[in-house]
Amino acid sequence: NAGVTQTPKFQVLKTGQSMTLQCAQDMNHNSMYWYRQDPGMGLRLIYYSASEGTTDKGEVPNGYNVSRLNKREFSLRLESAAPSQTSVYFCASAPWDQETQYFGPGTRLLVL
Amino acid sequence: QQQVKQSPQSLIVQKGGISIINCAYENTAFDYFPWYQQFPGKGPALLIAIRPDVSEKKEGRFTISFNKSAKQFSLHIMDSQPGDSATYFCAASSPGNTPLVFGKGTRLSVIA
Repeated sequence: NAGVTQTPKFQVLKTGQSMTLQCAQDMNHNSMYWYRQDPGMGLRLIYYSASEGTTDKGEVPNGYNVSRLNKREFSLRLESAAPSQTSVYFCASAPWDQETQYFGPGTRLLVL
Repeated sequence: QQQVKQSPQSLIVQKGGISIINCAYENTAFDYFPWYQQFPGKGPALLIAIRPDVSEKKEGRFTISFNKSAKQFSLHIMDSQPGDSATYFCAASSPGNTPLVFGKGTRLSVIA
């Protein structure tokens, strides 16, 4: 089992460019999440999907969109990147009770 | 609104010493309290977790102490080792299929 995989590992964007961060899990989990991690700010939830076909906003959803493509995949899209979106992005998945989350290795995004 | 408050933000401990990280919460509906460990460049991973029906849980050198009346819980790392140097996050969740709420993290450095 690969667990939770994220692509790309690192990306540099210019302000205004768009990109999609990909996430996939092979643990048959119902729930998936996108977080951003910034120094001193901890893990902040951007969006989550409690089950296939549903998505909900987290603490910091502005500037992002998500798609739960199927049970395995949950993508995060930045339509017009801003320097404030420079961060490390983590995807996570969890079984139905959402208690234990399994995190991917992260995507480091730099917006110039 | 910060639902889980974690302290300290950073901690330096001598090898062999005891590391103590504290968390406080407000939502009395929380019924699951995990701790996550994150090494540099990696995603967080579940370390140990507790439910409010017990006051303490121990796994090896790691112990969670839980005080329901004070709405506080803490992580104790006994005989701290340089390999324990990482960022630690406390978290909490409530019933009803809702995401975990994370504290802001504590960066632990264990020095020889």
